[in-house]
Amino acid sequence: QVQLVESGGGVVQPGRSLSLSCAASGFTFSTCAMHWVRQAPGKGLEWVALIWYDGSNKYYADSVKGRFTISRDNSKNTLYLQMNSLRAEDTAVYYCARDRGRYGNTLPDYWGQGTLVTVSS
Amino acid sequence: QSALTQPASVSGSPGQSITISCTGTSSDVGNYNLVSWYQQHPGKAPKLMIYEVSKRPSGVSNRFSGSKSGNTASLTISGLQAEDEADYYCCSYAGSGAFVVFGGGTKLTVL
Repeated sequence: QVQLVESGGGVVQPGRSLSLSCAASGFTFSTCAMHWVRQAPGKGLEWVALIWYDGSNKYYADSVKGRFTISRDNSKNTLYLQMNSLRAEDTAVYYCARDRGRYGNTLPDYWGQGTLVTVSS
Repeated sequence: QSALTQPASVSGSPGQSITISCTGTSSDVGNYNLVSWYQQHPGKAPKLMIYEVSKRPSGVSNRFSGSKSGNTASLTISGLQAEDEADYYCCSYAGSGAFVVFGGGTKLTVL
């Protein structure tokens, strides 16, 4: 069955960096686009970033553009999110989610359990 | 990247039907049949309930149905059950600019 397991969350000071990983299993990772979606405490879902199945195209929400970088290693079935210049408003549970297709426009189907990132001094 | 508009809360009694609306624009909901709905119980990951406006994934009860008219998508839950009490989010493809946009979420209370 499809499994997505995020890791790398924690407490980080404003302005610092953090890297998240998402280990995928149970499906052919290299044929699916992947998303990062976050949820601030008590708030709704916010789309963060998308990467195509082959890594050739990446898209970002305006709120993270220029600070976050999404990447993937299809040989390791792993998705990444490098987060730089973190702000208090980046505090959230970060979910990785599989898209139903190769290009991300068919939207997520399976989601991981999430990893909490807390930005605080 | 404006969020889609959902009512903050809806409620219904067991056995009744409820409908949650999701209003976007001609750049997202109105332009693509690529709307999904997710159910989220407290402390849990979202679960896909409807995709491509009205299609149900395998294993999702047929009490859940989706539709769209113009810029507004809707999720209907019939025969409400206590286990349906959760937050529900709509999501739409929004083109290569904004790409993906979520609604603000609707809290469903089963009375």
